[in-house]
Amino acid sequence: SYVLTQAPSVSVAPGKTARITCGGNNIESKSVHWYHQKPGQAPMVVIYYDSDRPSGIPERFSGSNSGNTATLTISRVEAGDEADYYCQVWDTSSDRPVFGGGTKLTVL
Amino acid sequence: QVTLKESGPVLVKPTETLTLTCAVSGLSLTNSNMGVNWIRQPPGRALEWLGNIFSNDEKSYTTSLKSRLTISKNTSNSHVVLSMTNMDPVDTATYYCASGLPPDAFDVWGPGTLVTVSS
Repeated sequence: SYVLTQAPSVSVAPGKTARITCGGNNIESKSVHWYHQKPGQAPMVVIYYDSDRPSGIPERFSGSNSGNTATLTISRVEAGDEADYYCQVWDTSSDRPVFGGGTKLTVL
Repeated sequence: QVTLKESGPVLVKPTETLTLTCAVSGLSLTNSNMGVNWIRQPPGRALEWLGNIFSNDEKSYTTSLKSRLTISKNTSNSHVVLSMTNMDPVDTATYYCASGLPPDAFDVWGPGTLVTVSS
């Protein structure tokens, strides 16, 4: 089955740029969705189809997907961005969705 | 506006069958663009997709749990039901229902319901 690999944690100072990566074999051939999840809350989409932002998500959030790595970039990080971030794709070989293991973003 | 809300027992005993309901509003379960998914998250761990159901009643399950899972829908009351047999303490998790059709994102989530498996 298809595996998505995320670093367990990323730390960044306020105002700086956070990059959260999601690794997968030839992931560029798939559409990657990103979710953030704050404690006690359900996940929420922040990026879909690699780089599209749902309404209400700040422009500071952007996504890219190339080769074996998809990246969620958060510019001008704020304290309120602190959350767990998950990437997700639909594995076409199994026709089932797959989640990455999640990355905890800590704002220093 | 589409909303989903999970309900069911907060505590089940080992070997029992868990039955959870997802109440769907703002989206007809007969709509061809309808897909309701069940996703769970053990405490402190990652999200795990369990299965889904579509408007044509087609279903799909995660391979590792397929023998234990059943998803069904009741279009008259807009409920989607998840049944999981032979519950074990490792099944302790927050269970979410979420809307989404492949290959789209899961765009609307319920708040989740925490189920603890313990004797």
